[in-house]
Amino acid sequence: LAKTTQPISMDSYEGQEVNITCSHNNIATNDYITWYQQFPSQGPRFIIQGYKTKVTNEVASLFIPADRKSSTLSLPRVSLSDTAVYYCLVGDKGTALIFGKGTTLSVSS
Amino acid sequence: NAGVTQTPKFQVLKTGQSMTLQCAQDMNHEYMSWYRQDPGMGLRLIHYSVGAGITDQGEVPNGYNVSRSTTEDFPLRLLSAAPSQTSVYFCASSSGFSGYYEQYFGPGTRLTVT
Repeated sequence: LAKTTQPISMDSYEGQEVNITCSHNNIATNDYITWYQQFPSQGPRFIIQGYKTKVTNEVASLFIPADRKSSTLSLPRVSLSDTAVYYCLVGDKGTALIFGKGTTLSVSS
Repeated sequence: NAGVTQTPKFQVLKTGQSMTLQCAQDMNHEYMSWYRQDPGMGLRLIHYSVGAGITDQGEVPNGYNVSRSTTEDFPLRLLSAAPSQTSVYFCASSSGFSGYYEQYFGPGTRLTVT
């Protein structure tokens, strides 16, 4: 099962771009990289998923280099409402998803 | 669709009491799971199910039982509550059993054991 490593916390200001990098050196060929967001007192919710290169949706972008040993979640122009915990997960086919401690992002005005 | 629902939202138990946390989903998902989240910690997988009649242990299964008699429901039972089980419990479901499938989480049950 691929293990992920991401920073425990990050601070930012409103309007800045935030990049959260996740390391997954043992990623397997069939693994997808998925990011979840969790607000206080709520369950996590899916943000974005990718396999390689770049994926963009209305919330974020996900950059994955060719070796897939890391990935970067990019949040453009964050606001106070982006304050949350962000989890990077790497899923083996046929096994349960394991969440780590995630990255706590604090956005200030 | 209601998505994933959990009851109760809050519960206080005394040590040694038993109770069942309810989880239901209306998306016809085969895969369901239970997580617990302690303050400052991430989510830890307790038990999961890949379909009706099939369950398996996660990272922290001790002290918890599960069963899956229908696709919709996946209750979590605490047989003899302990203070160490004070936590927030989240139920999740998805259409497949791998990292490819988006997981949908319920609102959580906040449990306190005194």
